[in-house]
Amino acid sequence: GNSVTQMEGPVTLSEEAFLTINCTYTATGYPSLFWYVQYPGEGLQLLLKATKADDKGSNKGFEATYRKETTSFHLEKGSVQVSDSAVYFCALSDPTGANSKLTFGKGITLSVRP
Amino acid sequence: DTGVSQDPRHKITKRGQNVTFRCDPISEHNRLYWYRQTLGQGPEFLTYFQNEAQLEKSRLLSDRFSAERPKGSFSTLEIQRTEQGDSAMYLCASSELAGETQYFGPGTRLLVL
Repeated sequence: GNSVTQMEGPVTLSEEAFLTINCTYTATGYPSLFWYVQYPGEGLQLLLKATKADDKGSNKGFEATYRKETTSFHLEKGSVQVSDSAVYFCALSDPTGANSKLTFGKGITLSVRP
Repeated sequence: DTGVSQDPRHKITKRGQNVTFRCDPISEHNRLYWYRQTLGQGPEFLTYFQNEAQLEKSRLLSDRFSAERPKGSFSTLEIQRTEQGDSAMYLCASSELAGETQYFGPGTRLLVL
C-alpha cells in the first residue's frame, strides 16, 4: 500500500538556520505530494504541493522538489524564523485517483529558538 | 468563506457513551473527508463523501462508527459505545473536486475516560 516516511524528530534550530526535513514515499503510480503544517492550536494548513515529477512547490520561503527517481519530497528553507515553529506533515494523494485520500507521514516538530 | 468548521472542538465522555461530531465544509465543496489523528501520528483516512454519497470507508472504521452527509452539505460522525481507544483528534477536510487541495478544519479532540 501507499506510505510516507518522515525523518525522526523533533528538530530544534536557531533563527536563520537552514532547514531540511526529509520525506520519502512508496506508491504505485504517480501520486501528488504535499507538505502540510500545523501551528500550535490550529488546524492543518497546506504549505505547498507538487503534482508531477521534477515539479517544485514553494510557499513562504519553503521549497520541495518531487524526485521520482529517489521517491522523495524533502522540505527546505534557507533561513527559518521563530514563527516557523510547528509540526510538519508530508503526505501523498492516492495515485489511483478514485478517492484522492491523503496518506500522511508521522509528522515532525520543528522548534526555532531566537 | 469561513473555511471548514467543526463542532465541538473538545469532547470528554465516559466509556460506553455515544458521541456525535459535526463538520461544515467550505460551501460548494463537493468532497468531504474524515480523518483520525492519534498522538504522535499523522492523520489516517476514515471515510469520504462525494456530495451526499459515502463512497469509501477505511477498515479503521468499525461498525460502531457511522457517518452521514444527508444534504450534501454538513456531515456528522457518530461513535457508538465509545472505547478508550477511540480517544483521538477527528479531522474533517473538504475539496472542490477530486484531486484538488483538501482544506482541513480545526478538529474535534475526543477523550474517552
